[in-house]
Amino acid sequence: DAGVTQSPTHLIKTRGQHVTLRCSPISGHKSVSWYQQVLGQGPQFIFQYYEKEERGRGNFPDRFSARQFPNYSSELNVNALLLGDSALYLCASSITGEGEQFFGPGTRLTVL
Amino acid sequence: AQKITQTQPGMFVQEKEAVTLDCTYDTSDPSYGLFWYKQPSSGEMIFLIYQGSYDQQNATEGRYSLNFQKARKSANLVISASQLGDSAMYFCAMRVLSGNTPLVFGKGTRLSVIA
Repeated sequence: DAGVTQSPTHLIKTRGQHVTLRCSPISGHKSVSWYQQVLGQGPQFIFQYYEKEERGRGNFPDRFSARQFPNYSSELNVNALLLGDSALYLCASSITGEGEQFFGPGTRLTVL
Repeated sequence: AQKITQTQPGMFVQEKEAVTLDCTYDTSDPSYGLFWYKQPSSGEMIFLIYQGSYDQQNATEGRYSLNFQKARKSANLVISASQLGDSAMYFCAMRVLSGNTPLVFGKGTRLSVIA
């Protein structure tokens, strides 16, 4: 079975632009979580979705938004990009959101 | 709020030796889970081992074991018989088990295995 997939793998944007990152969970998993990992730090929680509803939100500005689709895939959107948004964005899926989370390979975003 | 502290930014270990990576945590919730992840340079977080707060025995998974000392709020990872492929970043994380609470990660420890 395929694991968590994320696209694109790498992305370069300039300040002020917006970006959309995509995540497909493991088949049968209904929950998706997004994390931001800046260089030299551990991942920081951004959002969790379960059954298309937001179940949790981390301490991130409103420029960050997300949604989950009927097939349980998810998009993370970031508007008005700042240099500080440069990071590895990780998606994790779980069956219900309360169990073990399985991580995807991440999308490496560079903002110039 | 939960907090994870990893005080070792980097560690070196000789191949075939054992190494301990430190992790302390802070939470007021009695029901929680502790996780260790390995992150190679490719970026993917690979789950290694899990310990529940009510588990009576220390968790083990192959060459990985978790030295869980609840009173000290520590959850150190022990890797036995280190291999060159163990060189990576290692993250300790925790999650309160009530509700859909997210994982809280430490800053990580970079392990380098020397031949």
